[in-house]
Amino acid sequence: GENVEQHPSTLSVQEGDSAVIKCTYSDSASNYFPWYKQELGKRPQLIIDIRSNVGEKKDQRIAVTLNKTAKHFSLHITETQPEDSAVYFCAAPSDTGGFKTIFGAGTRLFVKA
Amino acid sequence: SQTIHQWPATLVQPVGSPLSLECTVEGTSNPNLYWYRQAAGRGLQLLFYSVGIGQISSEVPQNLSASRPQDRQFILSSKKLLLSDSGFYLCAWSRKNEQFFGPGTRLTVL
Repeated sequence: GENVEQHPSTLSVQEGDSAVIKCTYSDSASNYFPWYKQELGKRPQLIIDIRSNVGEKKDQRIAVTLNKTAKHFSLHITETQPEDSAVYFCAAPSDTGGFKTIFGAGTRLFVKA
Repeated sequence: SQTIHQWPATLVQPVGSPLSLECTVEGTSNPNLYWYRQAAGRGLQLLFYSVGIGQISSEVPQNLSASRPQDRQFILSSKKLLLSDSGFYLCAWSRKNEQFFGPGTRLTVL
């Protein structure tokens, strides 16, 4: 089945710097790669996603890149702000009909003011 | 628009007591439904998922069970809670792979 690895587990950056979180997946048939943000005590919420027919997608200060050959995708946050501090999860659909989503272990991002 | 509800929001239960957490979805029909558990500072562990009424798939063997008595209702239960059952329980539904999470139930087992 699908396996999703996420790195780093913790990331600390200075306000205004960029942050990059990387994930690898194992199932070459996977075609949808979302990123979720979870603020402390809240539910995870989708912030950006990418499908396998494109290599990059951008939405204001966040972007996701996908390398299907290497089976990895990354989240890029530019000009980080304190409110970006949260746990970020990458994910990929499982290979059992797409009913399940396999999540990475999460990255705790700290943005220092 | 679609809305997902969970209750209760918080719960403190003694070891060995029963558990019932409820999740309902509004604004969609025949959704895929999911129960996740998140231990403190940890990732999302898929517990159960359901693709229809009465259809439950279990991901992790444990003392929890799930039921789907109605199309948009998903219930997580236990007959006897363990200390290790403490955590943040999230219900979710999905559309085209995107997961929509409920507000969660924070369970503390003492």
